[in-house]
Amino acid sequence: AQSVAQPEDQVNVAEGNPLTVKCTYSVSGNPYLFWYVQYPNRGLQFLLKYITGDNLVKGSYGFEAEFNKSQTSFHLKKPSALVSDSALYFCAVRDMIKAAGNKLTFGGGTRVLVKP
Amino acid sequence: GAGVSQTPSNKVTEKGKYVELRCDPISGHTALYWYRQSLGQGPEFLIYFQGTGAADDSGLPNDRFFAVRPEGSVSTLKIQRTERGDSAVYLCASSLTLSNGDTQYFGPGTRLTVL
Repeated sequence: AQSVAQPEDQVNVAEGNPLTVKCTYSVSGNPYLFWYVQYPNRGLQFLLKYITGDNLVKGSYGFEAEFNKSQTSFHLKKPSALVSDSALYFCAVRDMIKAAGNKLTFGGGTRVLVKP
Repeated sequence: GAGVSQTPSNKVTEKGKYVELRCDPISGHTALYWYRQSLGQGPEFLIYFQGTGAADDSGLPNDRFFAVRPEGSVSTLKIQRTERGDSAVYLCASSLTLSNGDTQYFGPGTRLTVL
């Protein structure tokens, strides 16, 4: 079975400071990993994904994430946070093994609050 | 281009009633997914389609839930004899194919409230 853990319910950061949102995963095979962001009363917006290749993945709006296989982690990072980055962030995983199908398993979400 | 659209955006119904939720995927996307997001939680998988057929319906909670995609494009999620516990945001997503790593793009969701 595949699972995702986002250990922090909320992350508070001052504008201009680095932002990190943590994610760890568990799969039987190898993972596909995704980050999505959700603004109030909106659907999920895709930020970035890891499929294969470089462990550092760059995505939209200056976000990046680092895949660490030994630590089974895929933390989301942004060097300098903006107030407009305040939102709910979801990490998701899909196991590469065929039996897992194409469904995504999401973490519980981390609320990011960037203060001016 | 146009993204995934879902109608209605909000649906309020009474316990025991039947509801239909509609999803219109991104044009050309062959795979379509339904997820349910309860308050304060991440989305949970319900079902996905490749073309007209349900490839995996293992996430449907019980036989009151059913989904169709008769022409391989628009999909309808149908809930019979609604219960208060069905209240949630129902999210639809589509991807170009079912190929490894294809990104799923989500619609804005339908907020279902069962009174």
